[in-house]
Amino acid sequence: EVQLVESGGGLVQPGGSLRLSCAASGFTFSTYWMSWVRQAPGKGLEWVASIEQGGTEKYYADSVEGQFTISRDNAKSSLYLQMNSLRAEDTAVYYCARDVSGWYGRFDYWGQGTLVTVSS
Amino acid sequence: QSALTQPPSVSGSPGQSVTISCTGTSSDVGRYNRVSWYQQPPGTAPKLMIYEVSNRPSGVPDRFSGSKSGNTASLTISGLQAEDEADYYCNSYTSTRDVVFGGGTKLTVL
Repeated sequence: EVQLVESGGGLVQPGGSLRLSCAASGFTFSTYWMSWVRQAPGKGLEWVASIEQGGTEKYYADSVEGQFTISRDNAKSSLYLQMNSLRAEDTAVYYCARDVSGWYGRFDYWGQGTLVTVSS
Repeated sequence: QSALTQPPSVSGSPGQSVTISCTGTSSDVGRYNRVSWYQQPPGTAPKLMIYEVSNRPSGVPDRFSGSKSGNTASLTISGLQAEDEADYYCNSYTSTRDVVFGGGTKLTVL
């Protein structure tokens, strides 16, 4: 059974940093593109970042370019999102998602999400 | 990376059909058959319902169907059931190698 379990969310002050993790199981992690998608409270889904199987090719939404860094550790079947200089508008549930289509945005499995709250 | 345009809400009675539109541009929906649809009941993670415009993943009822014309994709749900009440989102691959989501549509089953 495919499982994606996010962790690392919490309350952080504006300007602070946070590192999210996503532990994958039930599939060969190293053969899939992986992504982060976020959802602000009461709002819609927003794609954040994606990374290819080997970890070299990465793509970011304009809203987080230069602020967030996506990475992965295939030996640990884990995906990460390093978030720096956090702002109130980064408050959201962050989902880890598997892209079964390569890099075309077909997210077939999602984690349960981890809530990041940026507030003083 | 402008969001795709969806109606904020649609509604229908049990047994009826509803269609949710998703309008993009010639750089995303109109250019690629890489449109997916997701269902998100309150408090849960999204679930893939349609991929590549009109394909259903295993386990998704055939009451759900997708299509595309020009820059607009559509999700049709026939034979509405109470369990279909949820938020629905489309997304598309884009020419700048991004993925863009629609703003979401709340489906109410009357």
